[in-house]
Amino acid sequence: QPVVTQPTSLSASPGASAKVTCSLRSGINVGPYRIYWYHQKPGSLPRYLLTYKSDSDNQQGSGVPSRFSGSKDLSTNAGLLLISGLRSEDEADYYCAIWYRSTWVFGGGTKLTVL
Amino acid sequence: QVQLAQSGAEVKKPGASLKVSCKASGYTFSDHHIQWVRQAPGQGLEWMGWINPNSGGTKSAEKFQGRVTMTRDMSINTAYLELSGLKYDDTAVYYCAREGPEVPFDYWGHGTLVTVSS
Repeated sequence: QPVVTQPTSLSASPGASAKVTCSLRSGINVGPYRIYWYHQKPGSLPRYLLTYKSDSDNQQGSGVPSRFSGSKDLSTNAGLLLISGLRSEDEADYYCAIWYRSTWVFGGGTKLTVL
Repeated sequence: QVQLAQSGAEVKKPGASLKVSCKASGYTFSDHHIQWVRQAPGQGLEWMGWINPNSGGTKSAEKFQGRVTMTRDMSINTAYLELSGLKYDDTAVYYCAREGPEVPFDYWGHGTLVTVSS
């Protein structure tokens, strides 16, 4: 089972909110980990969005709108990327990454469709 | 401004080796690790490893150990990724990225498409 799992796809309507999940494998507690979020639009490079570990330990990427925020769901052992007020330009692939056992691990990515 | 300029696209035969370069500018090369990430067509991001330009020390993902070599040339601010024993599923865009002070992949190279084909 992969260290980090993301749903393959997600769709939501313009103006609505979307929640992208980054689930850690059973036995790996999400609590201590910083979750890094990136998105990648077709034909473009990945772009850093934000980091979330806790409400007191988080960072927004330069120029990233406050519509993008991070959180965790300890009950499901997952990191969350929350996007409010969805716009068509938010359509992209979203990736989480964690530093695990001295290596970087990416989630498989979630394709967000805004329709 | 920070820039990472990568070498051009290549076509390789199965069993061959690839070598991708990543020339850094706009910052002090020795101060930041260079990460290597690849992305197969239509697939997600896959971390391959990093090199510390200052020490030359490296760390690679377990999947690539034994096949990957990461080096650097401090005189020209360039990092290199070598991957041997190429297979068809090594076809991918190979990216270098800088590890920033707080962001693991803060600047990215434009990517190098490597196609493995007979």
